[in-house]
Amino acid sequence: DTAVSQTPKYLVTQMGNDKSIKCEQNLGHDTMYWYKQDSKKFLKIMFSYNNKELIINETVPNRFSPKSPDKAHLNLHINSLELGDSAVYFCASSFQRTNSGNTIYFGEGSWLTVV
Amino acid sequence: EDKVVQSPLSLVVHEGDTVTLNCSYEVTNFRSLLWYKQEKKAPTFLFMLTSSGIEKKSGRLSSILDKKELSSILNITATQTGDSAIYLCAVEYAGGTSYGKLTFGQGTILTVHP
Repeated sequence: DTAVSQTPKYLVTQMGNDKSIKCEQNLGHDTMYWYKQDSKKFLKIMFSYNNKELIINETVPNRFSPKSPDKAHLNLHINSLELGDSAVYFCASSFQRTNSGNTIYFGEGSWLTVV
Repeated sequence: EDKVVQSPLSLVVHEGDTVTLNCSYEVTNFRSLLWYKQEKKAPTFLFMLTSSGIEKKSGRLSSILDKKELSSILNITATQTGDSAIYLCAVEYAGGTSYGKLTFGQGTILTVHP
């Protein structure tokens, strides 16, 4: 069973459309994240949620809206898609340990292409 | 601004060679340093390092952190073609509620030829 799974894996859509990417983890973690990997392969954090509460929001346009219905799910909704939104979006999860490092596990990525 | 720099950016070796990948960081509040291997899909976790000078090993891979030099190395001995991948270094930030916030380097592309 995949520990962090996200759907869809591939998405091609037109500018201006609204789309969602879903993510689920079965690791029992309390924290989930969205990371974006651009064409230069840099991975950058977008959001994190801990027990359904938004913790990190890294200067992301408000066209991007994460939603966490429970601690095992974190979805990403994107409004009015732009060409520059084309990227790979990775969902991830971890425990949120405050007194030691956190091992973060990634899903397989959702390849979004905006045309 | 927090920064993680990896070197070299790419490396081509032959099977059986030993490689050393470097990662240096400038982070205001350091919690841990992580190494990931990325093939075509998800970054796969390799190591998490929090203490300086303690080597972590997994098979042919090993890694060590030097907090004084703000750097880490990842060693791969007796490389195999299956080691071909992008190796990512990331530093976890410790501050406020930003646990789990990783700043990634640009990665080292390793190609191992038979």
